[in-house]
Amino acid sequence: NAGVTQTPKFQVLKTGQSMTLQCAQDMNHEYMSWYRQDPGMGLRLIHYSVGAGITDQGEVPNGYNVSRSTTEDFPLRLLSAAPSQTSVYFCASSYNRKETQYFGPGTRLLVL
Amino acid sequence: AQSVTQLDSQVPVFEEAPVELRCNYSSSVSVYLFWYVQYPNQGLQLLLKYLSGSTLVKGINGFEAEFNKSQTSFHLRKPSVHISDTAEYFCAVNNQAGTALIFGKGTTLSVSS
Repeated sequence: NAGVTQTPKFQVLKTGQSMTLQCAQDMNHEYMSWYRQDPGMGLRLIHYSVGAGITDQGEVPNGYNVSRSTTEDFPLRLLSAAPSQTSVYFCASSYNRKETQYFGPGTRLLVL
Repeated sequence: AQSVTQLDSQVPVFEEAPVELRCNYSSSVSVYLFWYVQYPNQGLQLLLKYLSGSTLVKGINGFEAEFNKSQTSFHLRKPSVHISDTAEYFCAVNNQAGTALIFGKGTTLSVSS
């Protein structure tokens, strides 16, 4: 199993550009989440999904969009990048609410 | 609403000393509690978790944590740390729907010789 994979590993954007951060898991997990990590802030939940076709907002959803068309994939879209979205983004998945969340290696995003 | 407070942002210790990283939580539903570790420039790895049952939970790398419902705490302990334990540690609780995690702001553990 590859576990949770994220692409790209690093990205530089200009303000106003859009992009999609990819996340995939091969463990047949129903639950998937996106977090952002900022210094001194810990990880904050952006969006999550409990299965294909079902998504919901987390703590900091503004400026981000998600969809879940398959169990395996959970892409995160930045609609119009802003410098405040400079961060490290982690995708995670778990089988259910009691099980361990497995994290991807992260995507470092710099918005100029 | 669920929340997590990690009481120390940085904890410096000497090698082979004991360490305790403190975590308090607030929850209106049944809690599942987790400790994750993040080594420099890496992702997060689960150290241990409390779902139910015994309040003393043992994890990887010699770490353990104790769930204290009356004090709403889930402190992480290790009796003797190594240089390799230098990392950032995150305490987390399930969100109200049980569908994702709410993290604390992290504690940086620095172990020196």
